[in-house]
Amino acid sequence: QKEVEQDPGPLSVPEGAIVSLNCTYSNSAFQYFMWYRQYSRKGPELLMYTYSSGNKEDGRFTAQVDKSSKYISLFIRDSQPSDSATYLCAMIPYSGAGSYQLTFGKGTKLSVIP
Amino acid sequence: GAGVSQTPSNKVTEKGKYVELRCDPISGHTALYWYRQSLGQGPEFLIYFQGTGAADDSGLPNDRFFAVRPEGSVSTLKIQRTERGDSAMYLCASSPSAGMNTPGELFFGEGSRLTVL
Repeated sequence: QKEVEQDPGPLSVPEGAIVSLNCTYSNSAFQYFMWYRQYSRKGPELLMYTYSSGNKEDGRFTAQVDKSSKYISLFIRDSQPSDSATYLCAMIPYSGAGSYQLTFGKGTKLSVIP
Repeated sequence: GAGVSQTPSNKVTEKGKYVELRCDPISGHTALYWYRQSLGQGPEFLIYFQGTGAADDSGLPNDRFFAVRPEGSVSTLKIQRTERGDSAMYLCASSPSAGMNTPGELFFGEGSRLTVL
């Protein structure tokens, strides 16, 4: 079993839909949870991070962490064609020196159809 | 300002050849990382530099892989006797320091896509 599991999709939704992307993980030491967005043939860029359990909202994006279930989600409201990309979840056990080994999921490829 | 720059963007080579991939991090970033992303997979950690030294090379798959950062800025990932299984996107990332200002935030380049025939 991989440390981080993520359904690779692909996921195709109409413009304006609410998108739900998810990851599960097995290592209870993970404390920081990130979502990266990767456009085709580009490097990943950090979208959001969350510490421990709870919700975090940034514009149309909401990240949720449920540590008791070892389950994290990213919700995208009013999805736009420009949101079409691969979304990667990533995790680290702590922040600060030594926290550079991000453990990534496989990524979910999202297409938002106009 | 300029982001992380990686060259070449694409490299096609034959099995058994030697390859060098270059990374120029964001100016002022002391921490530099190499990750490898195979098709349909997430990036996997290879090596981390803090300044000139390799602080952690535990992700390098075998001794055919080596990386240097002689002056604490530009880094080169070197792969000897390439194998078809080495085909992947090699991503370089940098951050202001190992203790990132934003937890988990690495600034990635666009990658070097390596194809070994």
